[in-house]
Amino acid sequence: KNEVEQSPQNLTAQEGEFITINCSYSVGISALHWLQQHPGGGIVSLFMLSSGKKKHGRLIATINIQEKHSSLHITASHPRDSAVYICAASKGAQKLVFGQGTRLTINP
Amino acid sequence: EPEVTQTPSHQVTQMGQEVILRCVPISNHLYFYWYRQILGQKVEFLVSFYNNEISEKSEIFDDQFSVERPDGSNFTLKIRSTKLEDSAMYFCASSRTGGWGNQPQHFGDGTRLSIL
Repeated sequence: KNEVEQSPQNLTAQEGEFITINCSYSVGISALHWLQQHPGGGIVSLFMLSSGKKKHGRLIATINIQEKHSSLHITASHPRDSAVYICAASKGAQKLVFGQGTRLTINP
Repeated sequence: EPEVTQTPSHQVTQMGQEVILRCVPISNHLYFYWYRQILGQKVEFLVSFYNNEISEKSEIFDDQFSVERPDGSNFTLKIRSTKLEDSAMYFCASSRTGGWGNQPQHFGDGTRLSIL
């Protein structure tokens, strides 16, 4: 069983829709990261959180430590949000354990 | 904003040859990492490096691999005697601190390694 599981694996939506991507983890973590991988392959860190909720623009990340679950939300989605979104858990000396990613496609 | 830079962006090498992938981490960062992503698969941790030594490594990081910080700015990953299955995107990352004082990791754009 993977230590970090994401759902869905693929998500297609229309521009303007509210998007939710889920992440569950089975191990003790020090923090949960949300990352964005562009079609060219580059990875950008979006959020790092260990409790509660963080917001940056149209992106919101939440975490429930007791349930070992995190969600990434995108409000008013736009075609430029199309990318792979990856959940990763920090364990110990900052090693990241990655989920398999969610491929998001926003159609105009 | 400071960036992690990786060179080359694409490396093509014959099987059995040695390759060196180069990274320049963000200048005030102290922890450095290499990850790899085989095409269509998830990103995997290879190694973390702090204070001029390996702090953690994965099962993937066997004797074929080595890391070095030769001059205080570059951070390199050397793969000796490359195999076909080493073909992947290799990402370098850095962070200001490590351990339980969590800091986000900043990633380079990756080096796509193709072994022929």
